[in-house]
Amino acid sequence: AQSVAQPEDQVNVAEGNPLTVKCTYSVSGNPYLFWYVQYPNRGLQFLLKYITGDNLVKGSYGFEAEFNKSQTSFHLKKPSALVSDSALYFCAVRDFTGGSYIPTFGRGTSLIVHP
Amino acid sequence: DVKVTQSSRYLVKRTGEKVFLECVQDMDHENMFWYRQDPGLGLRLIYFSYDVKMKEKGDIPEGYSVSREKKERFSLILESASTNQTSMYLCASVSGTGLSGANVLTFGAGSRLTVL
Repeated sequence: AQSVAQPEDQVNVAEGNPLTVKCTYSVSGNPYLFWYVQYPNRGLQFLLKYITGDNLVKGSYGFEAEFNKSQTSFHLKKPSALVSDSALYFCAVRDFTGGSYIPTFGRGTSLIVHP
Repeated sequence: DVKVTQSSRYLVKRTGEKVFLECVQDMDHENMFWYRQDPGLGLRLIYFSYDVKMKEKGDIPEGYSVSREKKERFSLILESASTNQTSMYLCASVSGTGLSGANVLTFGAGSRLTVL
């Protein structure tokens, strides 16, 4: 079985400050991990993914995420937030040893960046 | 760019009506999905299809059916709409077979359905 948790419903940060959106996962094997972003009244867009290799993954719009196997986490980060980063962020996991190619999504975290 | 097009962005239907939500993708993807998105619940998988005429139940299939007669089109059907089916519906597609789990899903813009 695979699952993902996003412990914060909402994250507030001031423009220019660093931001972190948290994600923890549970798989029986090894994970593929993904972050997607959803802007108002739009579908989800891919940001970045971890498959293997370097634990620090860089993605679109200046975002990055760090894979931590011991803590089973994949937190999304950005050094300096922009107001335009305000959106809904979803973490997703797939256990690539589990025989299913379907990812499981978290409940989403609303990021609000204040001017 | 891969495009996933959901034909209806906003729909308002009455209880008991039959509702069709259409989704078309233009990149020859084998796999297509229907999700339901509700505040605080995230994305929940309704049905998916890995080939023409093939379908599999997701986590919440009750009250829904699907049709995939052509590779590019995946339809979600509400046989008799109810108020608790008021939601945002998202279609997605991805290439590859079962071992290609690293591939990224491409989503449509969503269809917001209100059932009165």
